Amino acid sequence: KQEVTQIPAALSVPEGENLVLNCSFTDSAIYNLQWFRQDPGKGLTSLLLIQSSQREQTSGRLNASLDKSSGRSTLYIAASQPGDSATYLCAVPRYKLTFGKGTLLTVNP
Amino acid sequence: DGGITQSPKYLFRKEGQNVTLSCEQNLNHDAMYWYRQDPGQGLRLIYYSQIVNDFQKGDIAEGYSVSREKKESFPLTVTSAQKNPTAFYLCASNPTGSSYEQYFGPGTRLTVT
Repeated sequence: KQEVTQIPAALSVPEGENLVLNCSFTDSAIYNLQWFRQDPGKGLTSLLLIQSSQREQTSGRLNASLDKSSGRSTLYIAASQPGDSATYLCAVPRYKLTFGKGTLLTVNP
Repeated sequence: DGGITQSPKYLFRKEGQNVTLSCEQNLNHDAMYWYRQDPGQGLRLIYYSQIVNDFQKGDIAEGYSVSREKKESFPLTVTSAQKNPTAFYLCASNPTGSSYEQYFGPGTRLTVT
């Protein structure tokens, strides 16, 4: 059974700092890995999708990496801004998505 | 604009009443999903459907029912048998194929008193 773990559970940083969020999964036979952002009381917004054949994917200030052999993915956020404050979730699919519990990020002005 | 709509945004019901949550998508996706989100628990899968007129139970299907009569619609009924129905409910969809990139609706917050 796939299990997904995200560390840390919460992170508070000053504006402008670069930061890394971690995601680990137990079954490396994955199709891809997806990172989401969730604002309080809202649905999930897809940030990045990394295919199993890729090692990283970039969108603006976000960079996600994937290491299938070690069962890990990282989400790197450059030059963080207060608007980045949200919960970040990673998920891996088979016939359904298995989610981590998320990292609550607070970026302080 | 293509996307997933869920209605209503907030729903209040008395204990013992069934309630149906709406989910509609115009993305032409074959697969649709219902998740439940509780504080500290993450997202848990209730039901999913990969094709019209077919659906499967997820990890926490007890006390819920669904139908998939049309490709674009996947309503979820929370029955009186669901012991703790108060939660945030999220609907999602994805095209079939190896990508499996999922798209989510804005959610419905259900409060049962």
